[in-house]
Amino acid sequence: DAKTTQPPSMDCAEGRAANLPCNHSTISGNEYVYWYRQIHSQGPQYIIHGLKNNETNEMASLIITEDRKSSTLILPHATLRDTAVYYCIVRPLYNQGGKLIFGQGTELSVKP
Amino acid sequence: NAGVTQTPKFQVLKTGQSMTLQCAQDMNHEYMSWYRQDPGMGLRLIHYSVGAGITDQGEVPNGYNVSRSTTEDFPLRLLSAAPSQTSVYFCASSYSGQNTDTQYFGPGTRLTVL
Repeated sequence: DAKTTQPPSMDCAEGRAANLPCNHSTISGNEYVYWYRQIHSQGPQYIIHGLKNNETNEMASLIITEDRKSSTLILPHATLRDTAVYYCIVRPLYNQGGKLIFGQGTELSVKP
Repeated sequence: NAGVTQTPKFQVLKTGQSMTLQCAQDMNHEYMSWYRQDPGMGLRLIHYSVGAGITDQGEVPNGYNVSRSTTEDFPLRLLSAAPSQTSVYFCASSYSGQNTDTQYFGPGTRLTVL
């Protein structure tokens, strides 16, 4: 699976958009970009995933560059409850066992 | 649905003791896996299973055994606990459908080995 690079930490003001970047310059054509988050002491939670088109769901938006070497997770109106570690993971679509390889992630602090 | 459940929530062991961490899911997911998370680190895959009777090793399998006799359960066994196995253990499950294998994680078991 391709390696990802994320900033170790970021701050965001409550109510503002949080934009979390991820570099995955060695991503292969059959690899998807997944985002999970882990709120303190809890199990990770799935947020969103995509291949090459931008994706949006009730939690967030995912913007993937045209060359697919980087992506940005957008939380449109961050709240204090969005404070968590956010993991960007790239993996093949056909991943037997659903295995995830976690990096260090970005620790997002949403401040009042 | 209860989702993914793990027991116990907390456990303290002495070096050399054995124990089994329990994981169960009620979503009829084929895939199940175990991860460990050390302080300040991301999760690392220990073992995983693609279905009943089938298991395989992940990144850090040494010191752990697994079996998958039913779709619902995926226990993790520590045969002889060591202080290096002090960690938080997460179990996860997912459906095996194409492009839909979102992982669902349990609440974790916090293990301390003295």
